Amino acid sequence: AQRVTQPEKLLSVFKGAPVELKCNYSYSGSPELFWYVQYSRQRLQLLLRHISRESIKGFTADLNKGETSFHLKKPFAQEEDSAMYYCALTPFSGSARQLTFGSGTQLTVLP
Amino acid sequence: EAGVVQSPRYKIIEKKQPVAFWCNPISGHNTLYWYRQNLGQGPELLIRYENEEAVDDSQLPKDRFSAERLKGVDSTLKIQPAELGDSAVYLCASRRTSGSTDTQYFGPGTRLTVL
Repeated sequence: AQRVTQPEKLLSVFKGAPVELKCNYSYSGSPELFWYVQYSRQRLQLLLRHISRESIKGFTADLNKGETSFHLKKPFAQEEDSAMYYCALTPFSGSARQLTFGSGTQLTVLP
Repeated sequence: EAGVVQSPRYKIIEKKQPVAFWCNPISGHNTLYWYRQNLGQGPELLIRYENEEAVDDSQLPKDRFSAERLKGVDSTLKIQPAELGDSAVYLCASRRTSGSTDTQYFGPGTRLTVL
């Protein structure tokens, strides 16, 4: 069975400071990892996925298979980054491709 | 494009009453998902449809929950009778095809409160 753990329910940083949202996973096979974001009063949306290896809105995330982690990072946080962030996993193989989500981290960027 | 549409957005009912949620996926999306999101938790899958076929309903509490997607387009999720513990946000998502790397797109959700 797969599992995603986000150890921080709440995280506050000041504008311009670096931010890192932690995500650890457990899965016996080869997973695909995602970060989803939900801004206030908006729907859940994909932020980035590890296979794309791209930076979205200044955020990056590197899959570390040795530590089974997929932490989300941004060097200089902005107030508009305040949102709920969910880490999610899906198996690479098989047709299900269903997402398993962590419990989320509420990021607040203070002025 | 409107994206995934869900209605109602909010529903308040008393326990033991029935309730139904409706979802219209993005046009051309064959795969449809229903998730439940409890307060302070991430979404958890209830059921997945490939066209009109329910191919993964292992997490659906079948004693009180039912779902249908009769024409392979929009879908309805029903609870009868509702219990206090059913209070949650019910999310619908769609994707073009399962087994691919396509993105899942989520609807705004229906927030259910059972009194």
